[in-house]
Amino acid sequence: GIQVEQSPPDLILQEGANSTLRCNFSDSVNNLQWFHQNPWGQLINLFYIPSGTKQNGRLSATTVATERYSLLYISSSQTTDSGVYFCAVGSYGQNFVFGPGTRLSVLP
Amino acid sequence: DVKVTQSSRYLVKRTGEKVFLECVQDMDHENMFWYRQDPGLGLRLIYFSYDVKMKEKGDIPEGYSVSREKKERFSLILESASTNQTSMYLCASQDFGQGYYEQYFGPGTRLTVT
Repeated sequence: GIQVEQSPPDLILQEGANSTLRCNFSDSVNNLQWFHQNPWGQLINLFYIPSGTKQNGRLSATTVATERYSLLYISSSQTTDSGVYFCAVGSYGQNFVFGPGTRLSVLP
Repeated sequence: DVKVTQSSRYLVKRTGEKVFLECVQDMDHENMFWYRQDPGLGLRLIYFSYDVKMKEKGDIPEGYSVSREKKERFSLILESASTNQTSMYLCASQDFGQGYYEQYFGPGTRLTVT
């Protein structure tokens, strides 16, 4: 099955800093989502981005499907951005496979 | 906005009890999923359903069963709860059609089996 890696596993930032989170996957995919899991455990949808680039406020994401990676950019980070960021990928007829996550801590 | 709700945020049950976790979505999605999340093991798929009365095993179905009698509701059943089923349980529904397959998650249920 598809293998998903995320880097870095842990990231500590000062408020206001920028960051880039990476998701690598081992095979071609048709679906890719980025989620933020808040401290209460809820998974919040950030982007559905099987290819291309999208932006939503301070967050943006780029997926280069041919090279099997996706990047999540967080600019001007805030303490509320803390939590775990997951990448999930899938192909037609296959269920999503989740990466291990990147744990982000934003310090005031 | 898509809304996925789960019957309980926190649940404490005793070993051997039958446990029902319910999930309801309000967007007429055909696909629904149950995952469990454990530290160091990530999210693992227990069961999923592509339609009413349809169910498919995921990666870790042992000790669980599911029921989908109505399109909007997907229930996870622990026939005889055990301590190794203490976990965070997450339900998701999925848009299916036009090649667009975004998943939406409920708030989760933290189950403790003592």
